[in-house]
Amino acid sequence: DVVLTQTPVAQPVTLGDQASISCRSSQSLVHSNGNTYLEWYLQKPGQSPQLLIFKVSNRFSGVPDRFIGSGSGSDFTLKISRVEPEDLGVYYCFQATHDPLTFGSGTKLEIK
Amino acid sequence: EVQILETGGGLVKPGGSLRLSCATSGFNFNDYFMHWVRQAPGNGLEWVAEVRNKNNNYATYYAASVKGRFTISRDDSKSSVYLQVSSLRAEDTAIYYCTRGQPGAWFAYWGQGTLVTVSS
Repeated sequence: DVVLTQTPVAQPVTLGDQASISCRSSQSLVHSNGNTYLEWYLQKPGQSPQLLIFKVSNRFSGVPDRFIGSGSGSDFTLKISRVEPEDLGVYYCFQATHDPLTFGSGTKLEIK
Repeated sequence: EVQILETGGGLVKPGGSLRLSCATSGFNFNDYFMHWVRQAPGNGLEWVAEVRNKNNNYATYYAASVKGRFTISRDDSKSSVYLQVSSLRAEDTAIYYCTRGQPGAWFAYWGQGTLVTVSS
């Protein structure tokens, strides 16, 4: 199975600053069709997860442009500029290139 | 507006069974693949099962941890998806979320989840 390793486990941040989360895959996430199915989800406290980014860098409907996904192959990053209170929670990366589908273990974004 | 509502969770003894239901509205259910994702208390997310649409022969897929014990199905006439969970173990205790994708994305829409607790 593909293992997604997220770092850091917890990211203390000052409101208004930038945060960066890394997701490294145990194998390339480039599908045979040329697409890279790497997604980012945010789970706010007490809520269901919500989709932020799909196919590495595409923002889902309604997601602010402060959220930027990047990367290729097996190395991916989510950057959140100008962190706001509503951005706090646990961020998960997820891959759908290889079966079975797998999630990273999560990164908690918290106030410093 | 896309709406997803899971029901059917509860307390069940090890070895027992439950049927989770997921009612949807606000979109053409027939067009979409549907999934169940679960989250054990205080833990991360785990994909559980997928059922594809009629055009894809209602194909089903399962995580290794539940294969042979769980069965996903759908009823297009009711815009609903189901998860029959059997031979339950303590490690199946989790919130079970029903999700829908969109082109290029797997879990674009989520329900609020239903809690399954396996305990004697």
